[in-house]
Amino acid sequence: DIQMTQSPSTLSASVGDRVTVTCRASQTINNWLAWYQQKPGKAPKLLIYQASSLQSGVPSRFSGSGSGTEFTLTITSLQPDDFATYYCHHYNSYTGTFGQGTKVAV
Amino acid sequence: QLQLQESGPGLVKPSETLALTCTVSGGSIGSDYYWAWIRQSPGKGLDWIGSIYHSGSTYYKSSLKSRVTISVDTSKSQFSLKLFSVTAADTGLYYCARLPVYQRAFDIWGHGATVTVSS
Repeated sequence: DIQMTQSPSTLSASVGDRVTVTCRASQTINNWLAWYQQKPGKAPKLLIYQASSLQSGVPSRFSGSGSGTEFTLTITSLQPDDFATYYCHHYNSYTGTFGQGTKVAV
Repeated sequence: QLQLQESGPGLVKPSETLALTCTVSGGSIGSDYYWAWIRQSPGKGLDWIGSIYHSGSTYYKSSLKSRVTISVDTSKSQFSLKLFSVTAADTGLYYCARLPVYQRAFDIWGHGATVTVSS
């Protein structure tokens, strides 16, 4: 099975900071990588799909990059609403795997 | 606007079967989508359980394959999860979600259903 490894597990940041989260796949996954934001008590929200495509309605301060085995989620100017946990996710036709999550905290 | 809603018992005894249904409203279980179950143990991350295509083809997490069945009823716009022989480790929040084939990402999620395994 493909493993997805995120780093860091926890990230301390302030409003206005540029934040970067990394996700590594145990084998090449082309660009089939998505990013989600989850807040306590809420279902995850899709931010980025196919590594770099912004989901409709998601602010442009969120961006994704990468291909193959290494991917990055960047928040260019962290807003108060962005303090949350972020997950990467790979899905092919047969299986899906999430990273372990990165908590962005004050 | 399409919405998903999980339903089912919130308490299941050890060794029994966890059964949940996801009802799709504002749309139908059509082609070009996978329909999935994802769970989250208390304080933990997201764990994909399995998916079903509208045709009925199913795909399961390898470690759960022997204990899980996902089925679909397109006439009722519902898909269901059965997890057999549950233990306390199966306690958690269970989400249903939609995955467009072209995106390969879960774009619509239900609110989640809490299931506790306890005697």
